[in-house]
Amino acid sequence: KQEVTQIPAALSVPEGENLVLNCSFTDSAIYNLQWFRQDPGKGLTSLLLIQSSQREQTSGRLNASLDKSSGRSTLYIAASQPGDSATYLCAVEGPGYSTLTFGKGTMLLVSP
Amino acid sequence: DTEVTQTPKHLVMGMTNKKSLKCEQHMGHRAMYWYKQKAKKPPELMFVYSYEKLSINESVPSRFSPECPNSSLLNLHLHALQPEDSALYLCASSSNQGSGNTIYFGEGSWLTVV
Repeated sequence: KQEVTQIPAALSVPEGENLVLNCSFTDSAIYNLQWFRQDPGKGLTSLLLIQSSQREQTSGRLNASLDKSSGRSTLYIAASQPGDSATYLCAVEGPGYSTLTFGKGTMLLVSP
Repeated sequence: DTEVTQTPKHLVMGMTNKKSLKCEQHMGHRAMYWYKQKAKKPPELMFVYSYEKLSINESVPSRFSPECPNSSLLNLHLHALQPEDSALYLCASSSNQGSGNTIYFGEGSWLTVV
């Protein structure tokens, strides 16, 4: 059974810092890994999708890397802003799994 | 247009009521999903429809009844719910089930059972 772990569970940083969120998964047989953002009381917004054959994806100030063999992904946020405050979820999809398997998320607070 | 639209945004219902949640997408996606999310927990899969047929039911109680009238619409019919069913219900869609493509989520419907 696939298990996804996210560290840290919560993170508080001052504005402007670069930060890294971590995601690990137990079964390396995945199709892809997807990072989502969720604001309080809202749905999930897809940030980045990394296919299993890819090593990283970038979108603006966000960069996600994937090391499938070691079962790890990181989400790098450059020059953090208060508007980045949200919960960040990673999820993997793979053969034998019905759909996405989610981690419990990292709650990020960026203070002005 | 990468939008999944859910209605209503908020719903309060009694334990004897019958209500429905609705979801719509116009991206031509053939896989649609219902997830349930409790506070401070990750989403949990409930149902998957692939090409308008129910492909996965994650042992969801029969008081939740999904329906896919056409490729753009997904409903979740609710009847005789319990207070512990109060949660955020998320609809999602993707090109195909298990295709490795991006899964798009709606804003969710907040359900409170009283």
